[in-house]
Amino acid sequence: AQSVTQLDSHVSVSEGTPVLLRCNYSSSYSPSLFWYVQHPNKGLQLLLKYTSAATLVKGINGFEAEFKKSETSFHLTKPSAHMSDAAEYFCVVSDQSTGGFKTIFGAGTRLFVKA
Amino acid sequence: GAVVSQHPSRVICKSGTSVKIECRSLDFQATTMFWYRQFPKQSLMLMATSNEGSKATYEQGVEKDKFLINHASLTLSTLTVTSAHPEDSSFYICSANGMWEYTEAFFGQGTRLTVV
Repeated sequence: AQSVTQLDSHVSVSEGTPVLLRCNYSSSYSPSLFWYVQHPNKGLQLLLKYTSAATLVKGINGFEAEFKKSETSFHLTKPSAHMSDAAEYFCVVSDQSTGGFKTIFGAGTRLFVKA
Repeated sequence: GAVVSQHPSRVICKSGTSVKIECRSLDFQATTMFWYRQFPKQSLMLMATSNEGSKATYEQGVEKDKFLINHASLTLSTLTVTSAHPEDSSFYICSANGMWEYTEAFFGQGTRLTVV
């Protein structure tokens, strides 16, 4: 069975400093992993995805994530935070389970960006 | 990428009435669709898995008689909230997976349901 753990419920950074949002997963098969962002009262936007190709994945808005199988991690990073990055971020695993694919969300990490 | 359209985006209904939410895959066939519910400031909780041509699989704690799911075609799944009450007010999101291996889920825009 799959599970996703986002290690921090809240992260606060200053504008211009690096961002690190941590995610660990467990999966019985070879999963696909994603990061989504949700701004207040808005839907989900895909930032990036890992689907068994390159382990370092680059996404939109300067975000990237590295798939580390040995550590079962898929942490999201950005070199320099912008005020517009303040939002909720979800780490997601999609994997084969009984009856087909299943997509499971992490609990989310709220990113605060200080001026 | 593939597009999933969810309708309506917002709905307000009276207590005791039923509301239907549609989830359509516009440019691909979706054998499986998922329905999620999001409470304020919380993550998305999987409610059920909708399989084309068969009964939906509900997660533990989700009332199947209250949240009726129908997946009659490869491009459409519907969620009907029956006899809605204020506690059913929430943000509902659907997602669809395609027919290929190692697929990502494509999400609808979400439906904000308010029961008054």
